[in-house]
Amino acid sequence: GAGVSQSPSNKVTEKGKDVELRCDPISGHTALYWYRQSLGQGLEFLIYFQGNSAPDKSGLPSDRFSAERTGGSVSTLTIQRTQQEDSAVYLCASSLQGAPNYGYTFGSGTRLTVV
Amino acid sequence: ILNVEQSPQSLHVQEGDSTNFTCSFPSSNFYALHWYRWETAKSPEALFVMTLNGDEKKKGRISATLNTKEGYSYLYIKGSQPEDSATYLCGNYGGSQGNLIFGKGTKLSVKP
Repeated sequence: GAGVSQSPSNKVTEKGKDVELRCDPISGHTALYWYRQSLGQGLEFLIYFQGNSAPDKSGLPSDRFSAERTGGSVSTLTIQRTQQEDSAVYLCASSLQGAPNYGYTFGSGTRLTVV
Repeated sequence: ILNVEQSPQSLHVQEGDSTNFTCSFPSSNFYALHWYRWETAKSPEALFVMTLNGDEKKKGRISATLNTKEGYSYLYIKGSQPEDSATYLCGNYGGSQGNLIFGKGTKLSVKP
């Protein structure tokens, strides 16, 4: 696609429910990144994929968070048993090769509110 | 410095003022330093990717410099305009990690 697409743009969910966030990166971008920004905080790294593999899952806040990427394209971030502290803007970005000298293209984010 | 730090946290300037802000990052195992502009209700947009000590990059009225030995980068905006109002993020691509670690950003507000 022309840009990084994220859905839904907004999600309000009840505490304890599971949610799934989707990211569709730029076609041909092999690297894909998930970040989140909680209120008043900076961008927090969650996980990144090189192709379908996630070399570093250490940024996931708890075992309620999981992510996968299939076909080297679309990625889903799943949060199980959501808690209020999960409320944040979740941003996805992709990069041509995942090398340090390639800039990121960000999606417009999913605003998650847990009530 | 273990993390990426940006200062000031926020900045209010008048239209036409020139301004600058700082990004500090670990100087060891340096690979690249990125700057992004994040306008409200939009996606962060890449401004610069800098990899070499002494790099200077320019895009219109915005420029950036890089000192990898001492671990800092400056972003300059000449003749600020209201449309420059945004949060400016820097991200460090260092060490063995395969991703950018971002600072908390500098929020710039330019008054007409």
